[in-house]
Amino acid sequence: GNSVTQMEGPVTLSEEAFLTINCTYTATGYPSLFWYVQYPGEGLQLLLKATKADDKGSNKGFEATYRKETTSFHLEKGSVQVSDSAVYFCALSALTNAGKSTFGDGTTLTVKP
Amino acid sequence: GAVVSQHPSWVICKSGTSVKIECRSLDFQATTMFWYRQFPKQSLMLMATSNEGSKATYEQGVEKDKFLINHASLTLSTLTVTSAHPEDSSFYICSASGENTGELFFGEGSRLTVL
Repeated sequence: GNSVTQMEGPVTLSEEAFLTINCTYTATGYPSLFWYVQYPGEGLQLLLKATKADDKGSNKGFEATYRKETTSFHLEKGSVQVSDSAVYFCALSALTNAGKSTFGDGTTLTVKP
Repeated sequence: GAVVSQHPSWVICKSGTSVKIECRSLDFQATTMFWYRQFPKQSLMLMATSNEGSKATYEQGVEKDKFLINHASLTLSTLTVTSAHPEDSSFYICSASGENTGELFFGEGSRLTVL
């Protein structure tokens, strides 16, 4: 079946540091890949997505590239801010799975001023 | 982007009572919605898939008589926690899928506390 493995947290960084959160997946077929962000006390919201190999999703300074050869979708940001503190979820969606998404366990990021 | 709204955002109830949580897609029709449960500092646990006009599909280990799901229209799915107990206290989140994209649109979540 499908699975998503995310870098374990929590991750604590100083403001303006470089961020990488690793995500690898296993899936049949050609899934779409997503990063969702959850701020404290809120639901999830889409951060970025990529629907095919070599696509790069980007939003709010975050980027992730769909790497089929390494089955990865690592999240990066060059300079984090305190407001980026949140839980980040990597996810995949495959048409073979009736619309369900498979989520990683989430990585908690804390950015300190 | 598409908007999904959940209500109430938080609810406190006494043990033994039932609580209903609504999930609405505000600007699109959602034939499929998903209900999740999230414990503190943990990932989302998919509880069930809600299909408009038909019975929900529950994940293994989720009691269908305990967590009643109704998807009566293309814009509304409801989750009713029946005879709630303190162990049902949790953060419940719904989502709806965009057509053919796999992207999910999430509600704001509902925090249930059972006393």
